[in-house]
Amino acid sequence: DTEVTQTPKHLVMGMTNKKSLKCEQHMGHRAMYWYKQKAKKPPELMFVYSYEKLSINESVPSRFSPECPNSSLLNLHLHALQPEDSALYLCASSQGGAGPYEQYFGPGTRLTVT
Amino acid sequence: AQSVTQLDSQVPVFEEAPVELRCNYSSSVSVYLFWYVQYPNQGLQLLLKYLSGSTLVKGINGFEAEFNKSQTSFHLRKPSVHISDTAEYFCAVTPNSGYSTLTFGKGTMLLVSP
Repeated sequence: DTEVTQTPKHLVMGMTNKKSLKCEQHMGHRAMYWYKQKAKKPPELMFVYSYEKLSINESVPSRFSPECPNSSLLNLHLHALQPEDSALYLCASSQGGAGPYEQYFGPGTRLTVT
Repeated sequence: AQSVTQLDSQVPVFEEAPVELRCNYSSSVSVYLFWYVQYPNQGLQLLLKYLSGSTLVKGINGFEAEFNKSQTSFHLRKPSVHISDTAEYFCAVTPNSGYSTLTFGKGTMLLVSP
């Protein structure tokens, strides 16, 4: 199974809402990633979890809060977002640690903030 | 730090014609190289990767790429494209040690018309 799943597929939320994005993989990967992608742009790295510990936070605003409950799951909690946060949010996983590990991407969650 | 340059933001081509998408990179350390494809409203899918060994790498869907160390290039080619190849293509690099983070180019939109 080489699949990364993400739910929901689409999300519309107001600026005062609290919501969560979920990502799951069953490939035994030990590194998981959140990316943000705006239209016609490459993905921008937000967070990296390695062995369930947050290892990289690319200066992301605190209204985005990641969580890694176990090695297969990755959440992104959203609160008080701004309209400019509307984007495609991609989750990815890789074997982790050092090495030439390609990243496997999920289909993404299309987020619209109104 | 690494950087990736994809000079062509858009490449229009007719069906069954050959195509080359260009990628140049800059890095102070040795890197591994990847090409990803993103179809509309989907996540990224790995096309091919160069880690070491033969400089000609074959990937899925009939694509291949050639690593040229002296020119720091990793151009993607396909001898005959199909309408279904219409998508955004991203070149990416990662250091060959340390965390497996990716640096993406800005992407090239391949537009195949009949």
